[in-house]
Amino acid sequence: GEDVEQSLFLSVREGDSSVINCTYTDSSSTYLYWYKQEPGAGLQLLTYIFSNMDMKQDQRLTVLLNKKDKHLSLRIADTQTGDSAIYFCAETHGGNTPLVFGKGTRLSVIA
Amino acid sequence: GAVVSQHPSWVICKSGTSVKIECRSLDFQATTMFWYRQFPKQSLMLMATSNEGSKATYEQGVEKDKFLINHASLTLSTLTVTSAHPEDSSFYICSARDQQGAPEAFFGQGTRLTVV
Repeated sequence: GEDVEQSLFLSVREGDSSVINCTYTDSSSTYLYWYKQEPGAGLQLLTYIFSNMDMKQDQRLTVLLNKKDKHLSLRIADTQTGDSAIYFCAETHGGNTPLVFGKGTRLSVIA
Repeated sequence: GAVVSQHPSWVICKSGTSVKIECRSLDFQATTMFWYRQFPKQSLMLMATSNEGSKATYEQGVEKDKFLINHASLTLSTLTVTSAHPEDSSFYICSARDQQGAPEAFFGQGTRLTVV
């Protein structure tokens, strides 16, 4: 079945860049997403990328997609303490299919 | 972006009682909504796909008689946890996409259910 894998923890210093990595197994994934979850809250959509794109940039966020290796990454530039949260990678076939999530990466930002 | 509102944010109930959780899409119509369950420090597990005007599709291992899903309109889906037990305590989150096919999937704020 479909599987999405992420490393569980990442710790960075304030002001540095963070890179969160994700791999997936479903070669027919159409869209790939990054969500942010703060304690006790729902999921906030950060960005998504269509599978025929290699890169997408949105302010401090840069998403890179290597479709051949089924590897997705999220780079956060100038990481701030407010970026501390759990980041989930997810994929879907599009249409009305559900998202399949990774286990989430807990990002800790050290002041 | 679009808004999905989930209510209540948290609820405490006694064992054996039923709890209803509502999920509303506030500024778009959703033919399909999804219900997820999240255990502490774990990922989101898909429970069921809620289809407007028809029966929900449940994932393997999810008891359809315990987790009743109703999707009566294009903006509202409800999840009722029947005869709740402490092991049903969890964080439940709904998700919806605009029926026009936009790729963005939006999530509610989640409901923390505690069964005592």
